[in-house]
Amino acid sequence: EPEVTQTPSHQVTQMGQEVILRCVPISNHLYFYWYRQILGQKVEFLVSFYNNEISEKSEIFDDQFSVERPDGSNFTLKIRSTKLEDSAMYFCASDRGQIGREQYFGPGTRLTVT
Amino acid sequence: AQSVTQLGSHVSVSEGALVLLRCNYSSSVPPYLFWYVQYPNQGLQLLLKYTTGATLVKGINGFEAEFKKSETSFHLTKPSAHMSDAAEYFCAVSATNTGNQFYFGTGTSLTVIP
Repeated sequence: EPEVTQTPSHQVTQMGQEVILRCVPISNHLYFYWYRQILGQKVEFLVSFYNNEISEKSEIFDDQFSVERPDGSNFTLKIRSTKLEDSAMYFCASDRGQIGREQYFGPGTRLTVT
Repeated sequence: AQSVTQLGSHVSVSEGALVLLRCNYSSSVPPYLFWYVQYPNQGLQLLLKYTTGATLVKGINGFEAEFKKSETSFHLTKPSAHMSDAAEYFCAVSATNTGNQFYFGTGTSLTVIP
């Protein structure tokens, strides 16, 4: 069964450094998403991406964040200058774009900013 | 705006006992409702969803949930807990008229006692 994959599973970085989190969505899906979960808190929506552009973004998704689909398979989240509060689990998801659609989630990347 | 409340961050049940995980939502329009399960080191896996039609929906692994509009609830149940049900459970809603982002609850960790 096709699945969403994410790399790396765990990323440790120093404050102020740039990080890129990578995702490979399911191949025939059209919408792509990033969510994050700070430890002990709820899963929060960051951004959705469709047709090579951002379709929605939350207030969390400020100028330090960017997303890209550099080729036909990868979907990346870049954090330009990481802060301590960016430490979280980041989930990538994708869906087919149909009404009532469920999103398929990857296993997540745990980002630790020191 | 949409929001989700999951009562009880930790629930313990004995093997063979009823599982009841509570989810209440707040939405300005009838939402789509989802339950996801997360096993350790894995992504979020869809258990079941409600979009339209029958308010009692059945999912995988013997779980079911009932959409009660009057109570704005979508509680998850399973008649008889199994050890393999131990996991984190997330309730999520998406609006039917604005975008496709999911709003998640904080999750409920289910422990099954032998």
